[in-house]
Amino acid sequence: GAGVSQSPSNKVTEKGKDVELRCDPISGHTALYWYRQSLGQGLEFLIYFQGNSAPDKSGLPSDRFSAERTGGSVSTLTIQRTQQEDSAVYLCASSFRLGGTNYGYTFGSGTRLTVV
Amino acid sequence: AQRVTQPEKLLSVFKGAPVELKCNYSYSGSPELFWYVQYSRQRLQLLLRHISRESIKGFTADLNKGETSFHLKKPFAQEEDSAMYYCALSQPSGSRLTFGEGTQLTVNP
Repeated sequence: GAGVSQSPSNKVTEKGKDVELRCDPISGHTALYWYRQSLGQGLEFLIYFQGNSAPDKSGLPSDRFSAERTGGSVSTLTIQRTQQEDSAVYLCASSFRLGGTNYGYTFGSGTRLTVV
Repeated sequence: AQRVTQPEKLLSVFKGAPVELKCNYSYSGSPELFWYVQYSRQRLQLLLRHISRESIKGFTADLNKGETSFHLKKPFAQEEDSAMYYCALSQPSGSRLTFGEGTQLTVNP
């Protein structure tokens, strides 16, 4: 596609429920990243995919958070048993990675998650 | 561990005045440094990367390894420059970006 697409754009959920956030990267981009943007905390790295594997998932804040990527394309970030502190904007980015260099690192518009 | 610090959360200047957004980093090697901008209700987008040594929308940034800084400068601010600015760091050949907390720039008429 023309850009990184994320859905839904907004999600309100009750505390304790599970949520799934989706990211469609730019076609041909081999690398995909999830970040979290919280009020007053800037952007926080969550996980990085190269193809379908995740060589760096060190930023996932707890075992309630998981992510997968299939077909080297779409990725889903799942948050189980949501808590109020999970409320944030979840950003996805993708890039074409060659020889250790990133090209075209592009962000999506994010999913605003509110846990009530 | 790598860290990016933007000491000013808010910065307000008048149109036509010079502006400097500060960024300091800590990293033991030679990082790649970036500035990202997020205009109101728009997605985060790349403004500058230090290896390009380019000027975008009149903004420049010079990497000072001695002071571990990558300050963003513009000699004459415009109202349309009002936005949130993030400084970010990446390890060479790295994947993840480490962001500062951002500086909200307001350019007043």
